[in-house]
Amino acid sequence: GENVEQHPSTLSVQEGDSAVIKCTYSDSASNYFPWYKQELGKGPQLIIDIRSNVGEKKDQRIAVTLNKTAKHFSLHITETQPEDSAVYFCAASNGAFWGSGNTGKLIFGQGTTLQVKP
Amino acid sequence: EAQVTQNPRYLITVTGKKLTVTCSQNMNHEYMSWYRQDPGLGLRQIYYSMNVEVTDKGDVPEGYKVSRKEKRNFPLILESPSPNQTSLYFCASVTRRGQGTQYFGPGTRLLVL
Repeated sequence: GENVEQHPSTLSVQEGDSAVIKCTYSDSASNYFPWYKQELGKGPQLIIDIRSNVGEKKDQRIAVTLNKTAKHFSLHITETQPEDSAVYFCAASNGAFWGSGNTGKLIFGQGTTLQVKP
Repeated sequence: EAQVTQNPRYLITVTGKKLTVTCSQNMNHEYMSWYRQDPGLGLRQIYYSMNVEVTDKGDVPEGYKVSRKEKRNFPLILESPSPNQTSLYFCASVTRRGQGTQYFGPGTRLLVL
């Protein structure tokens, strides 16, 4: 079945350093790849997403890259700050574009706990 | 304010005692889902609904039921809870088949003794 593998499971960086989280997916029909940030006691919140017709997307300090051939995508956070500390989830679905057959179900990675040390 | 609400936020119950976790969204979204979150497993979809009266199983539906009688509400029902259903549950909604931002509720932490 569909599967998304996420690494690393934990990541500790110094404030100001960069952090990279990587995910691989198994379903070649996947065309939508969101990243979620989950703070303690809260639900996941979308921070950035990318569709399969784009190779890279950036929003201030965060960026996502997609390699469709290798079926992997990555989250890059630059100039990390203590408030970036949280659990990050990648996900994949086939619901990026309207059409028959896709359900838009999100398959999540296992999560990465990011700690940014002051 | 666009939001997904869940109730209760915390629940302790005993094996076999039926319970319902409510979910409501105020964004007029067609698509709603229930997920459970367990350590090391990420979030796994339990059930989803593409619109009123349209529901289908996700990846881990055993032991759960749902209903979608109104667009805004999508309750999760555990007819006979068991300890392996102890978990953190999230309801989510999105405009259309996963396109666009998927909004998650704050979560319901369930302990089944």
